[in-house]
Amino acid sequence: EDKVVQSPLSLVVHEGDTVTLNCSYEVTNFRSLLWYKQEKKAPTFLFMLTSSGIEKKSGRLSSILDKKELFSILNITATQTGDSAVYLCAVGTSGTYKYIFGTGTRLKVLA
Amino acid sequence: KAGVTQTPRYLIKTRGQQVTLSCSPISGHRSVSWYQQTPGQGLQFLFEYFSETQRNKGNFPGRFSGRQFSNSRSEMNVSTLELGDSALYLCASSLSSGQLVLAKNIQYFGAGTRLSVL
Repeated sequence: EDKVVQSPLSLVVHEGDTVTLNCSYEVTNFRSLLWYKQEKKAPTFLFMLTSSGIEKKSGRLSSILDKKELFSILNITATQTGDSAVYLCAVGTSGTYKYIFGTGTRLKVLA
Repeated sequence: KAGVTQTPRYLIKTRGQQVTLSCSPISGHRSVSWYQQTPGQGLQFLFEYFSETQRNKGNFPGRFSGRQFSNSRSEMNVSTLELGDSALYLCASSLSSGQLVLAKNIQYFGAGTRLSVL
């Protein structure tokens, strides 16, 4: 059965800290991995990763995929209180027209 | 460009009733997916529609159904509501799904409908 596991489940840090969120997967016919940020209701898209070793970067956020070891990490540097959210990882597979989501990592950044 | 719109935002129903939720995708998006989100289970895939055809269905009972109209708007219906159906129901749209150009498969989410079953 296809599975996506995120760790840690929750994390509390102080402003300015750097955090690393993990997403590991076991799926058949991997196609892509997506990261989302969910603050209140609607998850907002952050990154799509398809190739190993190519870092995607947006401001203080960056992400990379390792298709050999079947995981991805999301890094947030110099965290701010506005980074407090649930971060979701989703994996798409070929031919199934769906994404499999992890349960998310809840990040709380204290001022 | 307007985002994904879901209505209503909140619903309170009692056990045994049925409910219909609506989703209007981003203009030009033809694929619509539905998810159920609960604190313990995270986002669980319900079904995906493309050009009015359901192409995939998750592991939910037959009480959960959906459809898509020719303008890509979608509805999902839950009949004979149970307490365990209380959740946030999220709709996501994408340009397509399963295409070789993977960026077209990125899903954009609506704010969801919060359903409470009493």
